[in-house]
Amino acid sequence: DAGITQSPRHKVTETGTPVTLRCHQTENHRYMYWYRQDPGHGLRLIHYSYGVKDTDKGEVSDGYSVSRSKTEDFLLTLESATSSQTSVYFCAISESGASTDTQYFGPGTRLTVL
Amino acid sequence: GQQVMQIPQYQHVQEGEDFTTYCNSSTTLSNIQWYKQRPGGHPVFLIQLVKSGEVKKQKRLTFQFGEAKKNSSLHITATQTTDVGTYFCAGGPTSGGSYIPTFGRGTSLIVHP
Repeated sequence: DAGITQSPRHKVTETGTPVTLRCHQTENHRYMYWYRQDPGHGLRLIHYSYGVKDTDKGEVSDGYSVSRSKTEDFLLTLESATSSQTSVYFCAISESGASTDTQYFGPGTRLTVL
Repeated sequence: GQQVMQIPQYQHVQEGEDFTTYCNSSTTLSNIQWYKQRPGGHPVFLIQLVKSGEVKKQKRLTFQFGEAKKNSSLHITATQTTDVGTYFCAGGPTSGGSYIPTFGRGTSLIVHP
């Protein structure tokens, strides 16, 4: 498996609280992605990064922000968590963003918002 | 935007039966990738198809890319309990620039022993 870790692996929080999820890679890959996975919806892209301080929105970015201050770390922040953000969050990396790149996924973070 | 439809959403089979999942795109794809996610796990890359009409095999798994590069299929012969999981396709647009794949919703395979 590629060197990707996510923290925390599980989190329960209350509506309205801020939450930050961390993705850390040791592969020195340029592209990093945050997805959420919900039953019946597959993997939906939240945000992605194509370099340090370079990020862009995915299809479900509302309510989420990201930051990438170092190549190896990509943070996903829920400024004020809502119950609709209860989900499993996966980080992924790819080497160069080329069309033939493989995406390598982290182990996931299960987030529950009460 | 690009949409990738995947059917069926669920498939129950008896061990030893065959299984097929289909992936269809609204636009022409540059390539298509297939991933497998075991229950409780994360998606893992299986294979990539790039050429029109391409067929690749991995043991009991056969992957096809349509002639028009708008559809793909994954066929498993004689399923085993180890095949249980969700299979995702992911396709990329033909335009240049960064590759942001669009994932299908996945097909969950349940194999009954």
